Amino acid sequence: QPVLTQSSSASASLGSSVKLTCTLSSGRSTSIIAWHQQQPGKAPRYLMNLESSGNYNKGSGVSDRFSGSSSGADRYLTISNLQSEDEADYYCETWDTNTRLFGGGTKLTVL
Amino acid sequence: EVQLLESGGGSGQPGGSLRLSCAASGFTFNTYAMIWVRQAPGRGLEWVSSIDSSGAYTYYADSVKGRFTISRDNFKTTLYLQMNSLRADDTAVYFCARLGRSSNSDHWGQGTLVTVS
Repeated sequence: QPVLTQSSSASASLGSSVKLTCTLSSGRSTSIIAWHQQQPGKAPRYLMNLESSGNYNKGSGVSDRFSGSSSGADRYLTISNLQSEDEADYYCETWDTNTRLFGGGTKLTVL
Repeated sequence: EVQLLESGGGSGQPGGSLRLSCAASGFTFNTYAMIWVRQAPGRGLEWVSSIDSSGAYTYYADSVKGRFTISRDNFKTTLYLQMNSLRADDTAVYFCARLGRSSNSDHWGQGTLVTVS
């Protein structure tokens, strides 16, 4: 059973950058993940999928301020030039043939 | 434009049943797998169930196995979730989502609230 670990909260100042982390459980370091954003009171929105190589593919209309990278079992979402609308919960997702798992989410506060 | 519109949520009694629907448009529905995901109040996302593009293969989280049934009607381009033996901890907003070509969720519906009390 895969496990995805995310910090429960993060904060950064308006206009700065922040790097959110999603850590895959041991034995899953080659897995692809997806990042999703959920603004308060809204449905989740797909941001990108991210490979272990660091290659990522963003969803339609996702800002250039969002990028992904990888190191070992860690998958990162970097948001640059933070805007107030980036204040949201961010979830990572992974899957195998029979199951699907979401991380616990990181609540990002823009100061 | 891909659109997913859930309906069928509402109040249900413990032990009761509800059926959720997710009407899909803007893409070739019968070529994409679909999933249901739920979010309890103040909590994170929890995968509930998946179904392949034909409807032949279905998968469930342990928490709903034997109580919920996922299905689809490719002619009506609609996804369903039949929820039986409802429990208080099934209270959540239920989202349907499309699985993209890399198997990640790539489009989400707006959600429908189910309250069991």
